[in-house]
Amino acid sequence: QQQVKQSPQSLIVQKGGISIINCAYENTAFDYFPWYQQFPGKGPALLIAIRPDVSEKKEGRFTISFNKSAKQFSLHIMDSQPGDSATYFCAARRRTSGSRLTFGEGTQLTVNP
Amino acid sequence: NAGVTQTPKFRVLKTGQSMTLLCAQDMNHEYMYWYRQDPGMGLRLIHYSVGEGTTAKGEVPDGYNVSRLKKQNFLLGLESAAPSQTSVYFCASSYSVGPEGARRYGYTFGSGTRLTVV
Repeated sequence: QQQVKQSPQSLIVQKGGISIINCAYENTAFDYFPWYQQFPGKGPALLIAIRPDVSEKKEGRFTISFNKSAKQFSLHIMDSQPGDSATYFCAARRRTSGSRLTFGEGTQLTVNP
Repeated sequence: NAGVTQTPKFRVLKTGQSMTLLCAQDMNHEYMYWYRQDPGMGLRLIHYSVGEGTTAKGEVPDGYNVSRLKKQNFLLGLESAAPSQTSVYFCASSYSVGPEGARRYGYTFGSGTRLTVV
């Protein structure tokens, strides 16, 4: 079963708008929550990450909001640009079992000019 | 500094054939992973290794074997390829930095191997 659930599957936003992608997890053994950005033909690249003792982290136009009690976290992309068009994955790290990452299903973001 | 290098980048196999995917990292990372990526399913962990000479099963290990004879290399083998193994395969390695309580983790991915089994 998918331990990290991601929505929506696809998202279309106008240039300058806000893109919001949501993830929910079940396993309380997760202790680190990164977001990855993937362009066609490339491997995933780390975008931003958060620890569960922090409720929000911001880096430039990208913000993670984290709700530990609800076991949910989300990525907000402010002032979305056409260059942000990519597939985004949320993930969660297990503190045991080899520091492995469990990924969400992915969100295909399209930012129209 | 090449990071994580995967070979080959593309391959077409016939059902029943075998092959090995090679992953090499030059960052001295202890942990390495093999994932497969399929549309609508994200990346799913096949096998992983926490150090030279060790391997462990991930979420979807059936039909695959791995070996980590050298710290820098992690091999993924398909003994008898099946159409269900058509996918994009990603290798990754990981590290951690910082003190306990403020530790950050980094995962570096290769550029992928696109495998088609016909």
